[in-house]
Amino acid sequence: EDQVTQSPEALRLQEGESSSLNCSYTVSGLRGLFWYRQDPGKGPEFLFTLYSAGEEKEKERLKATLTKKESFLHITAPKPEDSATYLCAVQAGTYKYIFGTGTRLKVLA
Amino acid sequence: DVKVTQSSRYLVKRTGEKVFLECVQDMDHENMFWYRQDPGLGLRLIYFSYDVKMKEKGDIPEGYSVSREKKERFSLILESASTNQTSMYLCASSSWAGTPYEQYFGPGTRLTVT
Repeated sequence: EDQVTQSPEALRLQEGESSSLNCSYTVSGLRGLFWYRQDPGKGPEFLFTLYSAGEEKEKERLKATLTKKESFLHITAPKPEDSATYLCAVQAGTYKYIFGTGTRLKVLA
Repeated sequence: DVKVTQSSRYLVKRTGEKVFLECVQDMDHENMFWYRQDPGLGLRLIYFSYDVKMKEKGDIPEGYSVSREKKERFSLILESASTNQTSMYLCASSSWAGTPYEQYFGPGTRLTVT
């Protein structure tokens, strides 16, 4: 069964304390992996697309990496404004997207 | 910049009412999707459309219908709202151009059925 699991469910960091979020997946045919940021009460905001193992993408304090079984979202020196839920999704078919339940990140000043 | 808009941010409806949620995208995307998002369950696909007047059921289509009369517009209809349809509804769109097909989401509609 195709599945996406994110860990941890919740993470509290001090401002400046770097960490990583994990997204592990099992799909029969990976077409792509996506990271989104979602603020409370809002829709997910697209961050990154990863397609092949070894690929990396960066945006400001965020860097996403991909292996054959999992993806990591590394957050370097986070700020309070990075607090949000981060969602991972995989495209397993033309119209088939499987979402994880997210990691709730809280960055304390 | 991709823009997906939804007709309402918040809606409160009564049990049995017919509810219309509308989504508009301005990027000429072929594909449009309706999801609902509930705590602990993630995003679940209700319906999607890959072309005007074309629709396909997702994982949880029961109690919902959709309409796509124009390429930029995709409507979700709750024929007779029930309390278990209280949820956050998210519309998304994606293009055929490039692989993989990134989805872009609207701001969401928080629907409460009383």
